[in-house]
Amino acid sequence: DTAVSQTPKYLVTQMGNDKSIKCEQNLGHDTMYWYKQDSKKFLKIMFSYNNKELIINETVPNRFSPKSPDKAHLNLHINSLELGDSAVYFCASSRDRGDGYTFGSGTRLTVV
Amino acid sequence: KNEVEQSPQNLTAQEGEFITINCSYSVGISALHWLQQHPGGGIVSLFMLSSGKKKHGRLIATINIQEKHSSLHITASHPRDSAVYICAVRNSGGGADGLTFGKGTHLIIQP
Repeated sequence: DTAVSQTPKYLVTQMGNDKSIKCEQNLGHDTMYWYKQDSKKFLKIMFSYNNKELIINETVPNRFSPKSPDKAHLNLHINSLELGDSAVYFCASSRDRGDGYTFGSGTRLTVV
Repeated sequence: KNEVEQSPQNLTAQEGEFITINCSYSVGISALHWLQQHPGGGIVSLFMLSSGKKKHGRLIATINIQEKHSSLHITASHPRDSAVYICAVRNSGGGADGLTFGKGTHLIIQP
């Protein structure tokens, strides 16, 4: 039983398209996150979501929007995809104090 | 300058050697994490520290809050320890904010 699962694992799409990446956690964690790992393997926070409170990293373009239908899900929607959006996107979750940090296996997004 | 600095960036060692990876940070933190990313890409949380020292198997992590420094040690290193080790901090500002990462240490253990 995967603790944090994201789908799809790979996503290849054309510039200008709109796409979504799904994330679900079955750990009962209070907080979920989206991270972006660039081509140099550097990880950076995009969003965190806790109890209907969304915190957005100011560097994230507003083409990216997280949607949380319930506590166990935090999906990532991306509009008007650009070449620079190509990266690996990781979903993660943790308990309220930050312990129990668990990552999904990542979604490799390639924009062509 | 990144808020979280790791050294070395790359480390190649022989099987059995004692490994140390260092992490320094410049912000107030509520916790520090050590993560492991294998060549397949998955990320695993190894430790979360807010003070002192933790041990799990051959891995030991220490933190000195006053000096804003943490170390990850691997005893009796093995080729399966080859991975990228990432230090990450949770700022003490509170709220549902995420982790700030170092750039990682790429460790290769040769048989």
